[in-house]
Amino acid sequence: AQTVTQSQPEMSVQEAETVTLSCTYDTSESNYYLFWYKQPPSRQMILVIRQEAYKQQNATENRFSVNFQKAAKSFSLKISDSQLGDTAMYFCAFWCRADGLTFGKGTHLIIQP
Amino acid sequence: SAVISQKPSRDICQRGTSLTIQCQVDSQVTMMFWYRQQPGQSLTLIATANQGSEATYESGFVIDKFPISRPNLTFSTLTVSNMSPEDSSIYLCSVEDDWGGPYNEQFFGPGTRLTVL
Repeated sequence: AQTVTQSQPEMSVQEAETVTLSCTYDTSESNYYLFWYKQPPSRQMILVIRQEAYKQQNATENRFSVNFQKAAKSFSLKISDSQLGDTAMYFCAFWCRADGLTFGKGTHLIIQP
Repeated sequence: SAVISQKPSRDICQRGTSLTIQCQVDSQVTMMFWYRQQPGQSLTLIATANQGSEATYESGFVIDKFPISRPNLTFSTLTVSNMSPEDSSIYLCSVEDDWGGPYNEQFFGPGTRLTVL
């Protein structure tokens, strides 16, 4: 079984600042995928970014980028130029074909005006 | 991507009653999942529902408490039976898009917020 750990229950930054959310995982799988999901107050889970474990290049989606350190089993999310609409719960998740999706406990990110 | 709707979006129920939550997908999918998200917590998988077979329940969840139906490839229901206040949670339906690629992306419904008094 896999485990996903998010050590920051809550974070708060000012609008336009850059913020990094941390995530570590543990697995014996060699072929897997990592995701960051966003859950705003509307409850709708939204996929923010995806990283294939076999790719060394860090994934980037507009203001969102990851720092994927495979040897350290670390997968942090960086949000640049943060906006009020980024306020949400952020869940790190691990997927492998054997076990499907495993979520971390989440980080509540608050963007202050 | 799949578009998922859930009914009801929220409900307030009395202890001892049951509530059935519906999940409708706009495309045919093989795998559907039901999650529970307790207040301020992460998502916990209740069961996996494949069309034409019994749902597979995760440890700590049983069919008598959370019966699931999966009559076709676009629809599923989850019933929360004999409810107690501890069942107050958000219940999310999710589907897996098996597009033939190396991984299966999951899409989530908007959730049903259940409050049990």
